[in-house]
Amino acid sequence: GESVGLHLPTLSVQEGDNSIINCAYSNSASDYFIWYKQESGKGPQFIIDIRSNMDKRQGQRVTVLLNKTVKHLSLQIAATQPGDSAVYFCAETLYNFNKFYFGSGTKLNVKP
Amino acid sequence: KAGVTQTPRYLIKTRGQQVTLSCSPISGHRSVSWYQQTPGQGLQFLFEYFSETQRNKGNFPGRFSGRQFSNSRSEMNVSTLELGDSALYLCASSLEGGADTQYFGPGTRLTVL
Repeated sequence: GESVGLHLPTLSVQEGDNSIINCAYSNSASDYFIWYKQESGKGPQFIIDIRSNMDKRQGQRVTVLLNKTVKHLSLQIAATQPGDSAVYFCAETLYNFNKFYFGSGTKLNVKP
Repeated sequence: KAGVTQTPRYLIKTRGQQVTLSCSPISGHRSVSWYQQTPGQGLQFLFEYFSETQRNKGNFPGRFSGRQFSNSRSEMNVSTLELGDSALYLCASSLEGGADTQYFGPGTRLTVL
């Protein structure tokens, strides 16, 4: 299967700082990407998505950046809060392919 | 609207046994996907069902199977359990699959002794 990896398994940030979580994907044909957040004891929760015809997409306090040249995806969280502490996954797929490949996850620790 | 529900939440089995897990999607969602989550392998795609048909399958042995009913509820079955099958099994539903947002359930924690 495809390999979707993350550069940093654990990231610790101070409350109020901005967080950047990175992800490398391996399939240059992938054209749809999603970031998920998973809190302890819960299933993954959709955060934001981006299609390959875009290089940036903004949500509420979150921004996803896509660099297709180097097959890199990042999630930026502004003014990180304690409630942002979770494991974050990136996922890739071919649009309408009905099959997602997930990265191994990055744990975000927000220090008060 | 109720979220995705999975039953049971926790399960303990012994090697060689079989297990059936259940997933009820969000009302109106017709696509159901199953994933296995382990610390070592992360989230891995098992299969996806739509209108009672398996549309896609991951790289898992034939011991892993699933089905979907006419009301979109889905079950997955694992036969001849192995220790390595211990994992969190997650179900996700979406309207039609593809790029539709997937909503995950809380998962079933399976422990194989």
